[in-house]
Amino acid sequence: AQKVTQAQTEISVVEKEDVTLDCVYETRDTTYYLFWYKQPPSGELVFLIRRNSFDEQNEISGRYSWNFQKSTSSFNFTITASQVVDSAVYFCALFTGNQFYFGTGTSLTVIP
Amino acid sequence: DTGVSQDPRHKITKRGQNVTFRCDPISEHNRLYWYRQTLGQGPEFLTYFQNEAQLEKSRLLSDRFSAERPKGSFSTLEIQRTEQGDSAMYLCASSSPHGQYFGPGTRLTVT
Repeated sequence: AQKVTQAQTEISVVEKEDVTLDCVYETRDTTYYLFWYKQPPSGELVFLIRRNSFDEQNEISGRYSWNFQKSTSSFNFTITASQVVDSAVYFCALFTGNQFYFGTGTSLTVIP
Repeated sequence: DTGVSQDPRHKITKRGQNVTFRCDPISEHNRLYWYRQTLGQGPEFLTYFQNEAQLEKSRLLSDRFSAERPKGSFSTLEIQRTEQGDSAMYLCASSSPHGQYFGPGTRLTVT
């Protein structure tokens, strides 16, 4: 069965702190994709990143970085020097077998 | 703005009525997905189209739900005989090899 677990329901950090959002996935498929989305209070889901199962290279985009480790089935997301605008719910998702499986999300609050 | 549009943005209906939502994906994307999201949860997959063909349907999609994508462009999601449990945000997404992009959603309230 496919599953995505985001164990952190809510996180609060003070502005400029670094924060890591955890994502653990389960699948027996060898080909799959992993995603992160941001859902700000306005409600629209914003695509952040997609990785395929064969590419374990870490990725950095500005203050965002992602660490993909197949050995632990994890795809963690780090925000460096957090800002108030980073406050949102973040979803990790697994795509395999033509279906997406989303985690329950982590609500991040950045306190000024 | 991701380029995916949904109409209407909000819909209030009485239990038992039928409702229809529309999604216009990014024009060059041939894959289109429908999801449902309730408060505090992640989106739940409902169905998926590749061009006009509906290739996957979730078990969540009861017989009261039907989706179409007649010409491989826009899609409609219809819910017949709505129930209070259908109240949710209905999201549409279109995808390319590079990513999946969501529309703003249609918030359905069944009274």
